[in-house]
Amino acid sequence: AQSVTQLGSHVSVSEGALVLLRCNYSSSVPPYLFWYVQYPNQGLQLLLKYTSAATLVKGINGFEAEFKKSETSFHLTKPSAHMSDAAEYFCAAQTPTGNQFYFGTGTSLTVIP
Amino acid sequence: DAGVTQSPTHLIKTRGQHVTLRCSPISGHKSVSWYQQVLGQGPQFIFQYYEKEERGRGNFPDRFSARQFPNYSSELNVNALLLGDSALYLCASSLFTSGTIYEQYFGPGTRLTVT
Repeated sequence: AQSVTQLGSHVSVSEGALVLLRCNYSSSVPPYLFWYVQYPNQGLQLLLKYTSAATLVKGINGFEAEFKKSETSFHLTKPSAHMSDAAEYFCAAQTPTGNQFYFGTGTSLTVIP
Repeated sequence: DAGVTQSPTHLIKTRGQHVTLRCSPISGHKSVSWYQQVLGQGPQFIFQYYEKEERGRGNFPDRFSARQFPNYSSELNVNALLLGDSALYLCASSLFTSGTIYEQYFGPGTRLTVT
């Protein structure tokens, strides 16, 4: 069965520092992978998606993620954190058949002024 | 264009009751998926519907059911509510095509509280 693991339920960074949020997936067949952001009392917004066209994926708001098949990872990064980046971040996987979707447990990002 | 809309925004029910949640997808989207997000956890996949047919189902009991209408809107029904059903219920719509990646667009959710 597919699963998505996010290491670190809470991450704190200083404003302007590097953001690194970790995600690993388990599957013999690499799924389609996504990162979503959720602000308080709101739905989820897509940050970026991995489609196998390129291992380094650029998303909105300066975020990017690198797919590493050998490590079964899809970590999210941003060179310089902004206060507005404080939110809950979810890594997710879609099965190749497209009829199952799995989310990680989420990482809460705090940005310290 | 309007995004995914869900109603109601908040709902309070008593154990044992039944609840119906509603979702309208983005215009042109034919697939709707439902998720349960318990406080402090990631969304859990409940159902996916495409062209009025169930295409995917998560690990939820039969108390949970859904349907999709000819206009592609959808309802999620939960019978015999338990305290553990208290959660944010998210609906997502997409241009689903089997075997390819597709983006899901999420609504703001319905907050269900079971007392």
